[in-house]
Amino acid sequence: DAGVTQSPTHLIKTRGQHVTLRCSPISGHKSVSWYQQVLGQGPQFIFQYYEKEERGRGNFPDRFSARQFPNYSSELNVNALLLGDSALYLCASSKQRNTEAFFGQGTRLTVV
Amino acid sequence: RKEVEQDPGPFNVPEGATVAFNCTYSNSASQSFFWYRQDCRKEPKLLMSVYSSGNEDGRFTAQLNRASQYISLLIRDSKLSDSATYLCVVNGGGSYIPTFGRGTSLIVHP
Repeated sequence: DAGVTQSPTHLIKTRGQHVTLRCSPISGHKSVSWYQQVLGQGPQFIFQYYEKEERGRGNFPDRFSARQFPNYSSELNVNALLLGDSALYLCASSKQRNTEAFFGQGTRLTVV
Repeated sequence: RKEVEQDPGPFNVPEGATVAFNCTYSNSASQSFFWYRQDCRKEPKLLMSVYSSGNEDGRFTAQLNRASQYISLLIRDSKLSDSATYLCVVNGGGSYIPTFGRGTSLIVHP
């Protein structure tokens, strides 16, 4: 079975631009969560979607948005990029909201 | 107080040593607990879930202490390949939002 897949793997953007990150969960998993991880820190929660509805939002500005599609894949959008948005963005999928989560390889975003 | 706290380390141990990490959490209603392993510049990978009765997987043992609100991970007979960052995750307590600790760095040397 395919694991969680994320695209792209690496991305370089300029300040002020917009970015869309994509995630395909493991087949049968209905919950997708997005995390931001900077060097030396644990993943910070951004969003959780379950059954196509937003079920949780972390302490991130409104420039960050996300959605989940009928096939349970998900997109994370970030507008008006700042240098501080440079990080590894991780997507995790799980069968239910409180069960084991499995991560994709992440998208490494660099804002210059 | 942070929701999930871990000693960042690093823990420097020789091969064959036994090492233990603790992770404390603040929400007493938390229901699910996990340990993940993360190698440098890679994604976190599930190491094991932590059950109320404790659980063991080979050289790894995880325990939960609800009264004192911490989980632990014990690694016996450390291998060089165990060098990584170990992240604890706490979930439930009403929000079902998995919360990560910052991770504990383990370095196993020859």
